[in-house]
Amino acid sequence: KNQVEQSPQSLIILEGKNCTLQCNYTVSPFSNLRWYKQDTGRGPVSLTIMTFSENTKSNGRYTATLDADTKQSSLHITASQLSDSASYICVVTYNNNDMRFGAGTRLTVKP
Amino acid sequence: NAGVTQTPKFRVLKTGQSMTLLCAQDMNHEYMYWYRQDPGMGLRLIHYSVGEGTTAKGEVPDGYNVSRLKKQNFLLGLESAAPSQTSVYFCASSYSSLGGGDLDTQYFGPGTRLTVL
Repeated sequence: KNQVEQSPQSLIILEGKNCTLQCNYTVSPFSNLRWYKQDTGRGPVSLTIMTFSENTKSNGRYTATLDADTKQSSLHITASQLSDSASYICVVTYNNNDMRFGAGTRLTVKP
Repeated sequence: NAGVTQTPKFRVLKTGQSMTLLCAQDMNHEYMYWYRQDPGMGLRLIHYSVGEGTTAKGEVPDGYNVSRLKKQNFLLGLESAAPSQTSVYFCASSYSSLGGGDLDTQYFGPGTRLTVL
């Protein structure tokens, strides 16, 4: 069982709609959690980083939440655009130096 | 700034052949990493380096070797390629260690797609 589970595996939405991606993790002790966006054929690009004390962080139309007690995070995308079509990867750093990547959620935004 | 660059972009090898993947960064980052990405799986760390002349094993190091002779370059070698090494390889770099905070945000290269027949 992957130590960082993302759901759904894939998602299709219409342009302008909102969506929420989920990330559950089991690794500990928790250091921080990042969300990356990976366009097709490109490397991942960091969207947000959240530490233990942060519950919510926004980056434009992206809002990440973290519940360290339940070990869950979500990434909410508002008013989706075609350019949001990508894979979104949750990465958890634990033990200060170890990292585990989720398999990602593939988002497709259709016109 | 070019950021993180990788060469080559694509490569096809036969089983048993060797090759070297080159990663270069122009951000003066101390830390560099090699990952592989396979369908349905998260990125997995192969090897990493915390500075020029240093290397360390990651999660899946078997079958790979690395060298960091210059701060800006990190080489990944496959001495005897196997079909199981068919994957997309990503190099990344960061200013500091994996301890948290914006300074350790990793910047990724565009990837190298390797097929081993």
